[in-house]
Amino acid sequence: KAGVTQTPRYLIKTRGQQVTLSCSPISGHRSVSWYQQTPGQGLQFLFEYFSETQRNKGNFPGRFSGRQFSNSRSEMNVSTLELGDSALYLCASSTGATGNTIYFGEGSWLTVV
Amino acid sequence: QKEVEQNSGPLSVPEGAIASLNCTYSDRGSQSFFWYRQYSGKSPELIMSIYSNGDKEDGRFTAQLNKASQYVSLLIRDSQPSDSATYLCAVNQQVQEKLTFGTGTRLTIIP
Repeated sequence: KAGVTQTPRYLIKTRGQQVTLSCSPISGHRSVSWYQQTPGQGLQFLFEYFSETQRNKGNFPGRFSGRQFSNSRSEMNVSTLELGDSALYLCASSTGATGNTIYFGEGSWLTVV
Repeated sequence: QKEVEQNSGPLSVPEGAIASLNCTYSDRGSQSFFWYRQYSGKSPELIMSIYSNGDKEDGRFTAQLNKASQYVSLLIRDSQPSDSATYLCAVNQQVQEKLTFGTGTRLTIIP
């Protein structure tokens, strides 16, 4: 079955702009979580959605937001982009049960100039 | 103290030898433990998951968990050049679907 699909794969934005990233989870998975990966900070948890509700949130400013649709697809938005937001943004999906395996998409590479 | 700690490496191992990767975690209530492999420029790929104390083997990979010592390891037997990657230890700290990652260990297999 198809894996986690993320779009776009690569994008370049200007400081101050906003960006929306999209994620389609594995069929049947109801939990979608987002992570940011940078060389300096490693992989950090942004937030997780389950059945259209944000269930968990990491320590990121309010400029980072997300949502989940009824078909489990998810989007994350970053407003007022800063240079430090340049990163690989990873979407992951799972069934939603605690401890279940989490599978990652290929990621969206964001460069802020 | 970091929540999940790994030696950053780089760790160099001759081809055919055993590579040993280690990880410690701080939350004693952690329930689920994962090893992901990440090639440069790619996303993390699940290698092993382990939930109970002891060893779990899958092909050339063995994960070991010791909850009393808050320690999880990954052994790669008969190391191949294709195993050269960064290995990430991830822990689920009793919070649904939130993984806390170590900084990763970069492994290089020398032909």
